[in-house]
Amino acid sequence: QKEVEQDPGPLSVPEGAIVSLNCTYSNSAFQYFMWYRQYSRKGPELLMYTYSSGNKEDGRFTAQVDKSSKYISLFIRDSQPSDSATYLCAMQRPDSWGKLQFGAGTQVVVTP
Amino acid sequence: GAVVSQHPSWVICKSGTSVKIECRSLDFQATTMFWYRQFPKQSLMLMATSNEGSKATYEQGVEKDKFLINHASLTLSTLTVTSAHPEDSSFYICSASGRSEHQPQHFGDGTRLSIL
Repeated sequence: QKEVEQDPGPLSVPEGAIVSLNCTYSNSAFQYFMWYRQYSRKGPELLMYTYSSGNKEDGRFTAQVDKSSKYISLFIRDSQPSDSATYLCAMQRPDSWGKLQFGAGTQVVVTP
Repeated sequence: GAVVSQHPSWVICKSGTSVKIECRSLDFQATTMFWYRQFPKQSLMLMATSNEGSKATYEQGVEKDKFLINHASLTLSTLTVTSAHPEDSSFYICSASGRSEHQPQHFGDGTRLSIL
């Protein structure tokens, strides 16, 4: 079993819809959680960084962390075609700083 | 936000040559830099971690003599692929994190390496 599970998609949504992404993990030692967006042939871009359970909002993006369920989510409101990309969740343990554990990445396609 | 610049973005070279890739943190001091490799439609695979002024720590299965890493300053790390062969063709991405504890990694835009 992988430490971080993420559905690779593709996830297709119409423009303006809410995109809902999630990852589950098995290791309760993970304390820091990130969401990255990666366009084709580009490096990942940090979208959200959280280290506690609850919600964090930044513009159209909302990240949720539920440590008790070992489940994290990313919501994108009012999706745009420019949001079409691969979204990677990543997490790490305090005692293993720098060793990011990535999900497989979910490919999102927002259709006009 | 934090900016990490990676150069070159794309390189094509003949088998047997060595290729150097640079990774620079433009607006922060990167105490730690990371090098990843990514295959098509796959997630990132960590190759090595480098701290400024010390030797890199390589992940299991990564050849130290093939992938030479230097982190001579707080803003620059280099990856040299020595005697490159077609199987080394891949997308190489660097990332950097700063001095403050528990800062997230910021990634460069990657280098597409094609060995003929």
